[in-house]
Amino acid sequence: KQEVTQIPAALSVPEGENLVLNCSFTDSAIYNLQWFRQDPGKGLTSLLLIQSSQREQTSGRLNASLDKSSGRSTLYIAASQPGDSATYLCAVRGSSGTYKYIFGTGTRLKVLA
Amino acid sequence: DAGVIQSPRHEVTEMGQEVTLRCKPISGHDYLFWYRQTMMRGLELLIYFNNNVPIDDSGMPEDRFSAKMPNASFSTLKIQPSEPRDSAVYFCASSFSKAQRTLHFGNGTRLTVT
Repeated sequence: KQEVTQIPAALSVPEGENLVLNCSFTDSAIYNLQWFRQDPGKGLTSLLLIQSSQREQTSGRLNASLDKSSGRSTLYIAASQPGDSATYLCAVRGSSGTYKYIFGTGTRLKVLA
Repeated sequence: DAGVIQSPRHEVTEMGQEVTLRCKPISGHDYLFWYRQTMMRGLELLIYFNNNVPIDDSGMPEDRFSAKMPNASFSTLKIQPSEPRDSAVYFCASSFSKAQRTLHFGNGTRLTVT
């Protein structure tokens, strides 16, 4: 059974700092992995999607990497801003034909001005 | 594009009452998902549909929960009878299998059962 873990659960950093959020999963047989952002009282917004055949994806100040064999993904945020404050979740989809995404419990990020 | 639309945003009901949550997916999307989010258990997939057909309902916690998708633009999640432990935020999400397949979430329905 796939389990997804995110460490740390919460993170507080000063503005301008580069930071890394971690996601680990127990079953390496995945189809893809997505990183999401969730603001308080809102739904999730997809940030980046990495297919199992890819090593990384970039969008603006965000870079997500995937190491399937070790069951890890990282989300790198460059030059963090207060507007980046949110909860970040990763989700993996299995490769067995299912469309089920298993979510991690998230990292709550606060960027201090 | 209006995005995924859920209603109501908030629902407060008494134990034993029937609750119906509604979702309108993004037009053209062929997958629809119902998730539940709680502090204790995080985001859990309850059920998902492909082309209006339920594919996997293994996450539905009990027979008190049921979901329907009568057409491509509407889905409901019903709880009957509701219990206090059903209190959570319920999200609907949709996806298009032929594109990048990212999940698009609605803003959720916060359900409180007293």
